[in-house]
Amino acid sequence: NAGVTQTPKFQVLKTGQSMTLQCAQDMNHEYMSWYRQDPGMGLRLIHYSVGAGITDQGEVPNGYNVSRSTTEDFPLRLLSAAPSQTSVYFCASSYMGRRRNTEAFFGQGTRLTVV
Amino acid sequence: KNEVEQSPQNLTAQEGEFITINCSYSVGISALHWLQQHPGGGIVSLFMLSSGKKKHGRLIATINIQEKHSSLHITASHPRDSAVYICAVRSIIFDKLIFGTGTRLQVFP
Repeated sequence: NAGVTQTPKFQVLKTGQSMTLQCAQDMNHEYMSWYRQDPGMGLRLIHYSVGAGITDQGEVPNGYNVSRSTTEDFPLRLLSAAPSQTSVYFCASSYMGRRRNTEAFFGQGTRLTVV
Repeated sequence: KNEVEQSPQNLTAQEGEFITINCSYSVGISALHWLQQHPGGGIVSLFMLSSGKKKHGRLIATINIQEKHSSLHITASHPRDSAVYICAVRSIIFDKLIFGTGTRLQVFP
């Protein structure tokens, strides 16, 4: 049981480049989400999904795109990287509905630098 | 004002000391989570609370729903407890996690 697998762990991009952060979970969780963590701020929600084929915007969605073609995978795409997207990114998953008040699982994080 | 406030922001302690980290929130919640993040590391769930008190080893978490307040206690602190501790609440209305900014704890031998 691997939990939440997030890759890569580190990435450096040039301004304007695109990339995809991968996130996969093997716990059959309905809810998956992406956060960014910046100094002095709590984790902020970028996008989330409540099931395959369903995604929605969070607090800071601009410049990011997501899709949820399967229950297991929830990739985050940076369309045209900007220095303001330099941050640490976390993917998380959890149950929903009657089981929503159970443990949330987080990936190991991706430290992204845009130069 | 943030919906989830943690105090203190930074905390240093000597090994063996009793540690308390506080979390106050202003929204209706269905649950509160305490998370731990080691330097350069991922985020690990310590506790999920909807009422009362939970204990795991040297860690104790309490919540007072009426006062909208939770505390995380560490007894007999150890240098390996050095980490950022994050409080997060699940909002009843939006059913999403709202995070505090974290408390950075350093325990010295």
